Amino acid sequence: QLQLQESGPGLVKPSETLSLTCTVSGDSITSTSYYWAWIRQPPGKGLEWIGSIYYTGSTFYNPTVKSRVTISGDTSKNQFSLKLKSVIAADTAIYYCARCDRYSGGSCYPDYWGQGTLVTVSS
Amino acid sequence: DIQMTQSPSSLSASVGDRVTITCRASQRITTYLNWYQQKPGKAPKLLIYAASSLQSGVPSRFSGSGSGTDFTLTISSLQPEDFATYFCQQSYSIPLTFGGGTKVDIK
Repeated sequence: QLQLQESGPGLVKPSETLSLTCTVSGDSITSTSYYWAWIRQPPGKGLEWIGSIYYTGSTFYNPTVKSRVTISGDTSKNQFSLKLKSVIAADTAIYYCARCDRYSGGSCYPDYWGQGTLVTVSS
Repeated sequence: DIQMTQSPSSLSASVGDRVTITCRASQRITTYLNWYQQKPGKAPKLLIYAASSLQSGVPSRFSGSGSGTDFTLTISSLQPEDFATYFCQQSYSIPLTFGGGTKVDIK
């Protein structure tokens, strides 16, 4: 059974770097059929795709965060990670990792999601 | 970016009602449209992909239709466990974008 689990600090200070890891079980992040994505949701608000990574190492980012974000993968641990630098209060959100059934050019639809982790940006 | 607009933003309905939620894309996306259900404190769950394909394990009372710019999610007979927020998402191009959500609550 596929499971995704986010982990990382729940509190980050403004201007610092948010770092989260998603551990995948029940599938491999080297699968050719999927991207692996990060999506966030400010409390009480809608969903925003942050970016995705493919097993080749190719990454796709939302222009709204592209200058601040890095997504990477660790195939030995079957994990992928998110780093968002220079965070501000508006980056406070529930962060989800997800498996994303892929089309071409980075496009996909998330079919399985982690439970999400709340990250608060505050001093 | 492709903007996704859902309507209504909320609705009240009774168990057994037929419920329809609409999603409109700002440009043509053929059938690259997906629907999710989210309950409080939980991650979104995929219901429908490619506009009308039912995800495995999802009850058949859920159906999707549409192509181009206009799409519909229909719940044929609302059940107590269906009270939730529903989101559409386009997978035509990146950045992936979501609708603002439709909250379905008890009348």
